[in-house]
Amino acid sequence: GENVEQHPSTLSVQEGDSAVIKCTYSDSASNYFPWYKQELGKRPQLIIDIRSNVGEKKDQRIAVTLNKTAKHFSLHITETQPEDSAVYFCAARLDNYGQNFVFGPGTRLSVLP
Amino acid sequence: GAVVSQHPSWVICKSGTSVKIECRSLDFQATTMFWYRQFPKQSLMLMATSNEGSKATYEQGVEKDKFLINHASLTLSTLTVTSAHPEDSSFYICSANLPYNEQFFGPGTRLTVL
Repeated sequence: GENVEQHPSTLSVQEGDSAVIKCTYSDSASNYFPWYKQELGKRPQLIIDIRSNVGEKKDQRIAVTLNKTAKHFSLHITETQPEDSAVYFCAARLDNYGQNFVFGPGTRLSVLP
Repeated sequence: GAVVSQHPSWVICKSGTSVKIECRSLDFQATTMFWYRQFPKQSLMLMATSNEGSKATYEQGVEKDKFLINHASLTLSTLTVTSAHPEDSSFYICSANLPYNEQFFGPGTRLTVL
């Protein structure tokens, strides 16, 4: 089955700096990779996703890159703000209806003012 | 985006009692829903896949007789924690996804077993 690793487990950056979180996956058949942001006690919220036919996707300050050959993908947040502080989870899924996601262990991001 | 609701949002119960958690897809039909458990400072761990009209598929290590799942309609799945004990205290989250689309999570239920 799929296994997703995520690094680092914790990350502290100064406000305005960039943050990068990296994930690797094991199943080469996985082809959908979302990133979720979870604030304390709340549900995970999708912030960006990428499919395997794309190498990079950007949405304002957030970008995701995918290297299918190496089986890793990364989340990039630029110009970080205190409200970016949360736990971020990467996930991998076979892009078929009903297939569950396999989540990484999460990265706790702290943006220091 | 699609909306998934969960009820209750929190529950406190005595050890040995059973607790039922409801998960509803409000504006779409979901033949499959997922139940996750999340302990403090940990990731989401899939417990089971709930299939409308058939038996749920449980992940390894999850007791199907303790965590009863019923998916009686295309918009409702329930998780019943039977004979709950303090170690069952956790944050339980359900989710559902549209075909070929993102997964939408419920707001979660915080269970505390005394």
